[in-house]
Amino acid sequence: EDKVVQSPLSLVVHEGDTVTLNCSYEVTNFRSLLWYKQEKKAPTFLFMLTSSGIEKKSGRLSSILDKKELFSILNITATQTGDSAIYLCAVGGGGSNYKLTFGKGTLLTVNP
Amino acid sequence: EPEVTQTPSHQVTQMGQEVILRCVPISNHLYFYWYRQILGQKVEFLVSFYNNEISEKSEIFDDQFSVERPDGSNFTLKIRSTKLEDSAMYFCASSPVGTGDHGELFFGEGSRLTVL
Repeated sequence: EDKVVQSPLSLVVHEGDTVTLNCSYEVTNFRSLLWYKQEKKAPTFLFMLTSSGIEKKSGRLSSILDKKELFSILNITATQTGDSAIYLCAVGGGGSNYKLTFGKGTLLTVNP
Repeated sequence: EPEVTQTPSHQVTQMGQEVILRCVPISNHLYFYWYRQILGQKVEFLVSFYNNEISEKSEIFDDQFSVERPDGSNFTLKIRSTKLEDSAMYFCASSPVGTGDHGELFFGEGSRLTVL
């Protein structure tokens, strides 16, 4: 069974801190790893990673994939209160061309 | 920016009633999905739909569930006889290509279903 494990499950930081969120996975025929941000309702897309060692960056957010060790990290620098959300990691693969398997998410709270 | 839209945003129903959740995917997307998220739990895959047929479904998607694309724009999820455990947020998603081709999913805002 495909598995996606995120850590920590929750994290409380102060504005300006840097955070690292982790996602490890076990999936056959890995195709891609995706990060989503879920605030009130819909998960919104952040990054898709398919190749090891290539950092994807968007503003203060960045992410990298290690296909040998089967994990990814999502970094957020200079956090702001607007970064407070659940961050979801999802993996495509496992013999499916259609399904994403999600982790439980990391609840990030950024206090002023 | 194009988006996936879902209606209703919240539906309350009695156990045993039929429910239809509606979605309008992004117009040039070819793959459509339903996921659900029970409160406090993971987002779970229900079904994918491509070329007017189900391409994959999970164990959750039993005979009580069905999907349909009745016209060129809508994509619906029907639950025939709702159970208490069907209470969840149901997300519709669409993508231009399948996840196997590295397609990212675009999610709607969700329809919260409460079964009493």
